[in-house]
Amino acid sequence: QQPVQSPQAVILREGEDAVINCSSSKALYSVHWYRQKHGEAPVFLMILLKGGEQKGHEKISASFNEKKQQSSLYLTASQLSYSGTYFCGTREGRGSTLGRLYFGRGTQLTVWP
Amino acid sequence: DGGITQSPKYLFRKEGQNVTLSCEQNLNHDAMYWYRQDPGQGLRLIYYSQIVNDFQKGDIAEGYSVSREKKESFPLTVTSAQKNPTAFYLCASRPVISGRNQPQHFGDGTRLSIL
Repeated sequence: QQPVQSPQAVILREGEDAVINCSSSKALYSVHWYRQKHGEAPVFLMILLKGGEQKGHEKISASFNEKKQQSSLYLTASQLSYSGTYFCGTREGRGSTLGRLYFGRGTQLTVWP
Repeated sequence: DGGITQSPKYLFRKEGQNVTLSCEQNLNHDAMYWYRQDPGQGLRLIYYSQIVNDFQKGDIAEGYSVSREKKESFPLTVTSAQKNPTAFYLCASRPVISGRNQPQHFGDGTRLSIL
């Protein structure tokens, strides 16, 4: 089940903060966050596990609300290098799904100097 | 350096032609995945595999085929049955470690266009 990401696009000035949300209608085992620059491969940021929170980068953190089946990615004091499209990937079960993820449609983040 | 290599970077297909996209990884990862990316659509799963000689259909497998004869290789064939193949194709892999939730690592992608 494809998760829903919001907002679709964000425009920021350098140093401003942003929040990107990801929600699913299914119970989630984990949420994965990736950033993709135009024409490049998605780069892994962090995994949020059921029952825990994992911080992957210093100024980028995330939370995972299992009951609401939602995750949020927090970007603080944004830098020009944060520009790109952010995707959440959700894993619905721990069992026999071979670790497959369902990806949202992405949130395009643009940081201006 | 370890990584995932996709080739070619750009590929053009004529009507009615099959084309094969290559994906090779030297990370010793067990699981491999193929995604299709269209503007505004996110990443949609085509096929995935956890072990040699075994693979499963994803959400949009029609018009595509794969093979997994070696652990490090997972080629994708776009057949003539795929009527709208123009897209950016991404290959990914991840290690499978019992009890551990591992991220997927992506190749640089192949951009396929119709002539």
